[in-house]
Amino acid sequence: LAKTTQPISMDSYEGQEVNITCSHNNIATNDYITWYQQFPSQGPRFIIQGYKTKVTNEVASLFIPADRKSSTLSLPRVSLSDTAVYYCLVGDTTGGFKTIFGAGTRLFVKA
Amino acid sequence: GAVVSQHPSWVICKSGTSVKIECRSLDFQATTMFWYRQFPKQSLMLMATSNEGSKATYEQGVEKDKFLINHASLTLSTLTVTSAHPEDSSFYICSARDPQRGGMNTEAFFGQGTRLTVV
Repeated sequence: LAKTTQPISMDSYEGQEVNITCSHNNIATNDYITWYQQFPSQGPRFIIQGYKTKVTNEVASLFIPADRKSSTLSLPRVSLSDTAVYYCLVGDTTGGFKTIFGAGTRLFVKA
Repeated sequence: GAVVSQHPSWVICKSGTSVKIECRSLDFQATTMFWYRQFPKQSLMLMATSNEGSKATYEQGVEKDKFLINHASLTLSTLTVTSAHPEDSSFYICSARDPQRGGMNTEAFFGQGTRLTVV
């Protein structure tokens, strides 16, 4: 399983765009990149998944360069409720693939 | 999205007793479920992979006799913490994927977690 490296923590203010970058130098050909969000005392929640280029959904965008050795989660106009831990995961998500979590990035959004 | 539900959400037990935590996939069948534990300010640590109809696969360092896992049906996996001690106090989370969604690459759905406190 490819190892991921993320910043331990980030601070932002309400209304700003937040970009969290994840490094995954050993990503394999079949690996997808998935981001999860976790609030205190809750299970993680899926945010977005991508393989290459750019993916956008109603809550975030995911930018993946051509070499796929990194990815950037972009959260537009964050609010206080976006304060959470964000995990970047890389792997082949078929069937019984086990999801291994890295340290994650603690995002703190200030008023 | 698909729903994974855990029960109970929190439990307090006395040292030496056993506690069972249930994980259910409410609207899909899951042949494989995963159990994690999470200590405060730390990431999720995978404990074991629960396989329907067969033995669970435990991660290195996780005592299989301490953490009993049973996956008797396609919608239910249980984790029993046997002879619990204060150091077992943690946040336990299960997850599963819905093989019918998204083709080859599917997101994992997580339960809401169970806070275990051993006193």
